[in-house]
Amino acid sequence: KAGVTQTPRYLIKTRGQQVTLSCSPISGHRSVSWYQQTPGQGLQFLFEYFSETQRNKGNFPGRFSGRQFSNSRSEMNVSTLELGDSALYLCASSQGAGGTHTDTQYFGPGTRLTVL
Amino acid sequence: SQKIEQNSEALNIQEGKTATLTCNYTNYSPAYLQWYRQDPGRGPVFLLLIRENEKEKRKERLKVTFDTTLKQSLFHITASQPADSATYLCALALYGSSNTGKLIFGQGTTLQVKP
Repeated sequence: KAGVTQTPRYLIKTRGQQVTLSCSPISGHRSVSWYQQTPGQGLQFLFEYFSETQRNKGNFPGRFSGRQFSNSRSEMNVSTLELGDSALYLCASSQGAGGTHTDTQYFGPGTRLTVL
Repeated sequence: SQKIEQNSEALNIQEGKTATLTCNYTNYSPAYLQWYRQDPGRGPVFLLLIRENEKEKRKERLKVTFDTTLKQSLFHITASQPADSATYLCALALYGSSNTGKLIFGQGTTLQVKP
């Protein structure tokens, strides 16, 4: 099976702009989770989608949003970019059928976002 | 407060030795714990999962133990090789629908295996 893919791999934006990142999960996986990774804070959970519904959300401002399509592909959007949004954005897919806790998650290679 | 801590930021060992990495957590009741490997600029790669009712799991040269009384997991790499050099992350999965799809990660331990 093909792994999790993320596009683009690298992105440079300026403050105030917005950005959309894309994630294609492993075939058959219905859950997609997004994480932000920075040297200072490590990996932090942004949100999770299952069957086109957001099931869980982390502690990030409303500028961070996402959605999931019927084929389980997911996008996340960051509006009004700030310098502190520079990070590696990772998505992870899982079967997600449990509903009571998290299945094993398989990560994509990430999108490196630099905000100037 | 809730915390998940990995023993040190960096661990240097000689090739052929056993590397032991520690993950401690406070005020969590995890359903299970996972270990991931991450190379620079890449996404984490899943290695092993151990459930709350399991004491030990093995996979080739890797071994994980889980002590829910001590609130600690140990991750061992036996006969270590320079190719094992990477950052290793532990992650907790919690019960409850409010924790669905969410893993809580430690800061990671960077392992350097010298030839």
